[in-house]
Amino acid sequence: QTVVTQEPSFSVSPGGTVTLTCGLNSGSVSTTYYPSWYQQTPGQAPRTLIYNTNIRFSGVPDRFSGSILGNKAALTITGAQADDESDYYCLLYMGSGFWVFGGGTKLTVL
Amino acid sequence: QVQLQESGPGLLRPSETLSLTCTVSGGSISGYYWSWIRQPPGKGLEWIGYVHYSGRTTLNPSLKSRVTILVDTSKNQFSLELRSVTAADTAAYYCARYLCPSTGCAGFDYWGQGTLVTVSS
Repeated sequence: QTVVTQEPSFSVSPGGTVTLTCGLNSGSVSTTYYPSWYQQTPGQAPRTLIYNTNIRFSGVPDRFSGSILGNKAALTITGAQADDESDYYCLLYMGSGFWVFGGGTKLTVL
Repeated sequence: QVQLQESGPGLLRPSETLSLTCTVSGGSISGYYWSWIRQPPGKGLEWIGYVHYSGRTTLNPSLKSRVTILVDTSKNQFSLELRSVTAADTAAYYCARYLCPSTGCAGFDYWGQGTLVTVSS
């Protein structure tokens, strides 16, 4: 069974840079997995940040960027702000119409 | 601006059928793929499946035997049916639209606000 892996938690200082990753329990993530990233604060619906590996969705600040780092997809936040404290989820396309979310990363800004 | 709104009962008994509708406004349901996602309290997101405006679906294998997703282009709606629910199906249910540039579908762009469905006797 394919499992999409994310760090359960991460912390960053205000103004700092953090990179969250999205991997597979078996194999490497590439652009063919169409990785996308979502931000969710408690009680709210997810908000789209990045799609197709590295394209920022409309209205998303440029401090958010997506890439492939090694064998994982990555979301980098540069100049972290207090309101970036959220849960972050990646989503991968597994082929044949199937999609799988990662378990999510809880980001703390302190 | 496209908006999605989920609707349906918030409380079910075990063994009943969950039925939710997602109404799309500000844009047409035609030409797109549409998805259902759920999130148990305190847990992560789970992809349930999608429906193309043509009616073609692909479903999460773990739920496939209990799930039906339909589209009604005349009403600009799509729906989710989950049969034989248990407490494990208690979750916030979200509908979302796939973002599909020319290179292929690449995730979601618009999301509904979500609706909490509780299964309890």
